[in-house]
Amino acid sequence: KNQVEQSPQSLIILEGKNCTLQCNYTVSPFSNLRWYKQDTGRGPVSLTIMTFSENTKSNGRYTATLDADTKQSSLHITASQLSDSASYICVVNSGYALNFGKGTSLLVTP
Amino acid sequence: GAVVSQHPSRVICKSGTSVKIECRSLDFQATTMFWYRQFPKQSLMLMATSNEGSKATYEQGVEKDKFLINHASLTLSTLTVTSAHPEDSSFYICSARDLDRGTEAFFGQGTRLTVV
Repeated sequence: KNQVEQSPQSLIILEGKNCTLQCNYTVSPFSNLRWYKQDTGRGPVSLTIMTFSENTKSNGRYTATLDADTKQSSLHITASQLSDSASYICVVNSGYALNFGKGTSLLVTP
Repeated sequence: GAVVSQHPSRVICKSGTSVKIECRSLDFQATTMFWYRQFPKQSLMLMATSNEGSKATYEQGVEKDKFLINHASLTLSTLTVTSAHPEDSSFYICSARDLDRGTEAFFGQGTRLTVV
């Protein structure tokens, strides 16, 4: 069964600190992996997309990594801001279906 | 990136009435549209997939007669929640895919439905 597991489920950090979110998957075949940011009451917005051959990709303060061998991905947020408070969802595309993780709820406090 | 507009963003309706949610792709032709449902602190759950001009394919456990999906054009899909009940209260999100852009789908802003 295709699964996407994210950890931690929730996280609270101080403004300015860094954090790393994890995503482990068993999806096969693998097309790509996206990290989305979902603000409360809003639709998901794509942060990064990674294909099989990519190991690291950055988008501003967001850096995603992918290890296709171990089927693990991480999203690192640098110098967190209050506006980073949101749910971060890992989505693995098998080519014919999108497989969603349950998300990590991040709260950045002053 | 491509823009998907969903309307309304919030709706409150009385139990027993029907509610229609629209999903539009503004700058591309959406050959496939997806409808998701999301409960608080839960992941998005796929309800149905629709291709333009054909009947929607519903996921197991989703009542097709309750959640009517119409994908009449390449830029518009609608989800109608019929005879709504309080347990239908949820966050509904659509996404649209343009095969010319590959296999990625772009999300709408979501609709918060509250049935009272």
